Amino acid sequence: SAVISQKPSRDICQRGTSLTIQCQVDSQVTMMFWYRQQPGQSLTLIATANQGSEATYESGFVIDKFPISRPNLTFSTLTVSNMSPEDSSIYLCSVGEGYDEQYFGPGTRLTVT
Amino acid sequence: AQTVTQSQPEMSVQEAETVTLSCTYDTSENNYYLFWYKQPPSRQMILVIRQEAYKQQNATENRFSVNFQKAAKSFSLKISDSQLGDTAMYFCAFMKQQGGSEKLVFGKGTKLTVNP
Repeated sequence: SAVISQKPSRDICQRGTSLTIQCQVDSQVTMMFWYRQQPGQSLTLIATANQGSEATYESGFVIDKFPISRPNLTFSTLTVSNMSPEDSSIYLCSVGEGYDEQYFGPGTRLTVT
Repeated sequence: AQTVTQSQPEMSVQEAETVTLSCTYDTSENNYYLFWYKQPPSRQMILVIRQEAYKQQNATENRFSVNFQKAAKSFSLKISDSQLGDTAMYFCAFMKQQGGSEKLVFGKGTKLTVNP
């Protein structure tokens, strides 16, 4: 299993600013995933972050808007850039290997005003 | 493209009773994995149960069991002896391989309320 923490747990940000979300895992993992959960909606995968390589983004998500860093096997950051109210969501990171269970962090609740 | 459909946005059940949550999916793959995740009001997603498509036997975890019908592409979750702590959003998910990694595709979720 894996224990995942995220910072911040929540934030209220002004339109046009950026927020960086941190994800820390208590063990070394190869694959980390970033999801967005809009209010009352399901989870949508933003990107996959593999240590040592560029993140792979899903359709509809671009690096300029959601830059991701993966400096080591236990840590990743997701930045939400030039925010608008439509970016108000819960952002979750997860880790998983192969077809095994993915473990999720507690999420970061972002409100953009 | 794989899709996951949960047709019941909300359900409720009395404590100690049994409830079944529905999930259907669409895929052309033969080998894959299916999951039910639970997201309580505190927001942390946790795995409820996992099914490997090549296994005919339905997965069970204590009070949780699935009815996996591969031909019908159906994967329902049965919760027996419902408890107040089962109140949560339940997400059905399909795991696919894409771009060298395994990725989850989620349904829209079912909000389950267990009433005392």
